[in-house]
Amino acid sequence: SAVISQKPSRDICQRGTSLTIQCQVDSQVTMMFWYRQQPGQSLTLIATANQGSEATYESGFVIDKFPISRPNLTFSTLTVSNMSPEDSSIYLCSVEGQQAGVKEAFFGQGTRLTVV
Amino acid sequence: KQEVTQIPAALSVPEGENLVLNCSFTDSAIYNLQWFRQDPGKGLTSLLLIQSSQREQTSGRLNASLDKSSGRSTLYIAASQPGDSATYLCAVSGSARQLTFGSGTQLTVLP
Repeated sequence: SAVISQKPSRDICQRGTSLTIQCQVDSQVTMMFWYRQQPGQSLTLIATANQGSEATYESGFVIDKFPISRPNLTFSTLTVSNMSPEDSSIYLCSVEGQQAGVKEAFFGQGTRLTVV
Repeated sequence: KQEVTQIPAALSVPEGENLVLNCSFTDSAIYNLQWFRQDPGKGLTSLLLIQSSQREQTSGRLNASLDKSSGRSTLYIAASQPGDSATYLCAVSGSARQLTFGSGTQLTVLP
């Protein structure tokens, strides 16, 4: 399994500012995924972050708005830039780990962001 | 593009009932399917994972089935309890390992 620690767990931010969310994993992983969950909605993939290369963004998400760093195999950050109230969401980090020899997705506890 | 649908969107049952949550997906070329539980304002807890070659998985009072050819999965919860109240999410994994989620079923089990 993989244990994921996300920081901060929640924050209230002013519009126009930026917030960086950290994701730390207790084991080395190739891919890390960032998801967004808007209020009352399901999860949507923002981007996939591989160590040593540029993150791959899904349709509707751009690097200028959601820059991602992946400096090593256990850590990643997601920045939400120039925030507006529409960015109020839960942001979740995920990795693929192994449980009983089977690969499955593990999630952090999420960062609950409110933009005022 | 993979699309995942969950029915019903919400369900309220009295304690002790057996219940079934449904999940369907449009592209049968999946790596695996996972069922998650999410409590309000919290992250996701993995409940069951079914690999694409498997038909079902069981854990305690939970049983999940997978029919890849028809693009369907069900999550069966036996003898429901108030502590089972949460949102249940179905997600399928593609070849690139990212997950596509359904919109969830919000379950309320009444004491």
